[in-house]
Amino acid sequence: GEDVEQSLFLSVREGDSSVINCTYTDSSSTYLYWYKQEPGAGLQLLTYIFSNMDMKQDQRLTVLLNKKDKHLSLRIADTQTGDSAIYFCADISGGYQKVTFGTGTKLQVIP
Amino acid sequence: DAGVIQSPRHEVTEMGQEVTLRCKPISGHNSLFWYRQTMMRGLELLIYFNNNVPIDDSGMPEDRFSAKMPNASFSTLKIQPSEPRDSAVYFCASQGGGTGGNEQFFGPGTRLTVL
Repeated sequence: GEDVEQSLFLSVREGDSSVINCTYTDSSSTYLYWYKQEPGAGLQLLTYIFSNMDMKQDQRLTVLLNKKDKHLSLRIADTQTGDSAIYFCADISGGYQKVTFGTGTKLQVIP
Repeated sequence: DAGVIQSPRHEVTEMGQEVTLRCKPISGHNSLFWYRQTMMRGLELLIYFNNNVPIDDSGMPEDRFSAKMPNASFSTLKIQPSEPRDSAVYFCASQGGGTGGNEQFFGPGTRLTVL
């Protein structure tokens, strides 16, 4: 079945850029997503990219997609303490449009 | 819309007791997902329904877990008997069919503690 993998932990200093990486296995994925989970809350959609795009920029967020390598990344510029959260990569595939999540990367921002 | 509603928000029970978690999806959404989140295993998909029909329950840990969706506006996840290793946060999420990226909307979760 579909597999989505992420590193578990990332620590950065406030003001630096953060890059969270993800790999997936399903080449038929139509959308790829980044979700954010703040402490004590459920996941919320942060941004998404169509599979026919290489890059999407949204204010401090940049999503890069390398379809050949099945690699997705999320770059957060000027990382703030409020960005501390768990970030989940996900893709959608299959006839029922099932979303498969990675295990999540915990981002810790050091003041 | 109030979003996905889960109840209870917190549940503390003793080993061996039956636990029932409830979820009300967003009106009009046709897919519903149950997830479990722990520090050790991260986010795990337990089961998902499409149009009230279970599509994939391969993530359900064992026979102690069961899920139902009797109608489009309600689902339950039951654990009987519960064990300490079932302690986790359980999320319900719903997803609409059609266009728009198929975003999943998560409920606030139920934090289950089995003593």
